[in-house]
Amino acid sequence: NAGVTQTPKFRILKIGQSMTLQCTQDMNHNYMYWYRQDPGMGLKLIYYSVGAGITDKGEVPNGYNVSRSTTEDFPLRLELAAPSQTSVYFCASSYTGTSGADTQYFGPGTRLTVL
Amino acid sequence: AQKVTQAQTEISVVEKEDVTLDCVYETRDTTYYLFWYKQPPSGELVFLIRRNSFDEQNEISGRYSWNFQKSTSSFNFTITASQVVDSAVYFCALSFTGGGNKLTFGTGTQLKVEL
Repeated sequence: NAGVTQTPKFRILKIGQSMTLQCTQDMNHNYMYWYRQDPGMGLKLIYYSVGAGITDKGEVPNGYNVSRSTTEDFPLRLELAAPSQTSVYFCASSYTGTSGADTQYFGPGTRLTVL
Repeated sequence: AQKVTQAQTEISVVEKEDVTLDCVYETRDTTYYLFWYKQPPSGELVFLIRRNSFDEQNEISGRYSWNFQKSTSSFNFTITASQVVDSAVYFCALSFTGGGNKLTFGTGTQLKVEL
C-alpha cells in the first residue's frame, strides 16, 4: 500500500495561473479531504468528499474547486492563483462507517508558492 | 462550533526530561473523537492516537502516554524520557460523528529536544 500520494511535491506559480494538485489513495477509503497549512498554524479544511460524486465545502473553500469521479482520486483545482494561496496542501483519507469518525491518514503534502 | 486550543507554542527540553503537551477542546457534541498527530521537520503528518469521547481511560504506548479528562475538556500528551528524535510539531485535533468527520486542529506545539 502506498497510502495517500500527492503530486507535485513543490510548485511555484505566478499570480493568475491555474493548476491542479493531485491526490490518490489506495486504501479504499470512502472519505477524502484537502487541508492547507499556513506557517505556524494548524491545518484548515478546504473541501472534503464522502464518496465518489459527492463533495462539500470546508472552512476555507474560496479560490478552489474539487471533483471526485472515482474512490481513489480527489484533485484540487486552483483557479487564478493569488499570493494568499501560498501554503502547504495536505490531502487525507479515512474510512468512515457506522461506527463513527475514523482516523485520517495524510499524504506527504504539496508546497505551493504563488509569486 | 468546535475549537481546539494548544496554548504552548514552543517547548524546549533537554534530552531525557519528561514533557507534557496540553490540549483543551470545546464542542457541543456528546460523541466526538480526539487525535494527536506529529509533524517532524520533514513535514509529513504522522498519526499517533485516536480516542473517542466515551473512553476516558488513559493510554500508554512506550514512552508516550495520554490523559483524557472530560471534566476539564483536556487531552494532554506526555513524552517520558524525551529524545532528540521527538523534536517535532505536535497537533491535537477534534472531530465529531456526522458532518463529514472533519478535523478541527489546534495551532500546534513545537517541541525541541536538545542534547
